[in-house]
Amino acid sequence: GESVGLHLPTLSVQEGDNSIINCAYSNSASDYFIWYKQESGKGPQFIIDIRSNMDKRQGQRVTVLLNKTVKHLSLQIAATQPGDSAVYFCAGHSGNTPLVFGKGTRLSVIA
Amino acid sequence: ETGVTQSPTHLIKTRGQQVTLRCSSQSGHNTVSWYQQALGQGPQFIFQYYREEENGRGNFPPRFSGLQFPNYSSELNVNALELDDSALYLCASSLSGGGPIDNEQFFGPGTRLTVL
Repeated sequence: GESVGLHLPTLSVQEGDNSIINCAYSNSASDYFIWYKQESGKGPQFIIDIRSNMDKRQGQRVTVLLNKTVKHLSLQIAATQPGDSAVYFCAGHSGNTPLVFGKGTRLSVIA
Repeated sequence: ETGVTQSPTHLIKTRGQQVTLRCSSQSGHNTVSWYQQALGQGPQFIFQYYREEENGRGNFPPRFSGLQFPNYSSELNVNALELDDSALYLCASSLSGGGPIDNEQFFGPGTRLTVL
């Protein structure tokens, strides 16, 4: 089965620095991954996704990297802002299975 | 465009009671998925409803049940509440049933259930 985890439960960065949040997954058949942002009192919000036939995808200030060899993905946030403070989840999908979420990393931005 | 809404926001119940949580899907969406999010954990899939039929279920006991109505709103019912049922219950709507690829899920703010 799929299990998705994160390397660190918390991450503190200075405003303006780049943030890197990591995620490992166990199911080599996983074909799709999503990063979500969850602010306090809100549901998860889609940030960026990537399919398993890609190794990099860029959005606005965010980049997701996928390394299928070691079953690892990361979310990079450029020029981190206070509004980026939240819990970040990676979620993986394979075949007809539902999304499997990791436990989350809490990002704190220090002004 | 109306987003996903959930009610109530917070709820306190005691062990053994029953609870009904409600979700209104985003305009134009016919699929609702429910998730349980324990404190400090990621959301865990409970089940999905597509056009009023259950369309996939996670590893939850039968005392977790649901309904979807013709307007695509949905209910999550939990019978015989246990202390471990305390969690944030999230619903997410999407344009169509099935998997998440090219079918983004939009989450509501959740209902915080506390079982005493």
